[in-house]
Amino acid sequence: SQTIHQWPATLVQPVGSPLSLECTVEGTSNPNLYWYRQAAGRGLQLLFYSVGIGQISSEVPQNLSASRPQDRQFILSSKKLLLSDSGFYLCAWSPGPAPLHFGNGTRLTVT
Amino acid sequence: GENVEQHPSTLSVQEGDSAVIKCTYSDSASNYFPWYKQELGKGPQLIIDIRSNVGEKKDQRIAVTLNKTAKHFSLHITETQPEDSAVYFCAASRYNNNDMRFGAGTRLTVKP
Repeated sequence: SQTIHQWPATLVQPVGSPLSLECTVEGTSNPNLYWYRQAAGRGLQLLFYSVGIGQISSEVPQNLSASRPQDRQFILSSKKLLLSDSGFYLCAWSPGPAPLHFGNGTRLTVT
Repeated sequence: GENVEQHPSTLSVQEGDSAVIKCTYSDSASNYFPWYKQELGKGPQLIIDIRSNVGEKKDQRIAVTLNKTAKHFSLHITETQPEDSAVYFCAASRYNNNDMRFGAGTRLTVKP
């Protein structure tokens, strides 16, 4: 069966520091991969998606970037964190069309 | 692009009662409507989904109805239990997850 791993579970970083969140999927090949952000009490905002290695599409211009160095690995990065980057970051995968399967998220607090 | 509105934002019911959460969408081309349940500190989990070629789908105590003409769909939970307490999200897309848009969520509390 397919599983998705996301780490770390929680992270506290100072403003201006770099960020790297990692997500890997097991048990499938060539998945679509996604990064979402969930602000407190709000819905899920799509940040990036990827349909293949090296193919990244950005939904929202921001301080973040994404990379897909391997088929089942998706990385969310920032060179310099802002206070507004705080939130709950979710990685997800899909086999193509629906459905989306989410990881357990990373709670990022920028101080 | 697609815009999904979800109501209510919070819902409290007594154990055994039914709960209904409603969503509306704006893109008439949307044809896939999933519902997710998110427990505290975890990622959303798919609980049921419906395609636009059907009007209703049931899975035990959970059902989803779709009205394409009115562009709204609803989640119905019958015989609610305390473990149903969570945040529920609706979503809509053109069966291509790249453009899946989510509602703001409904916090459901089931009182024992």
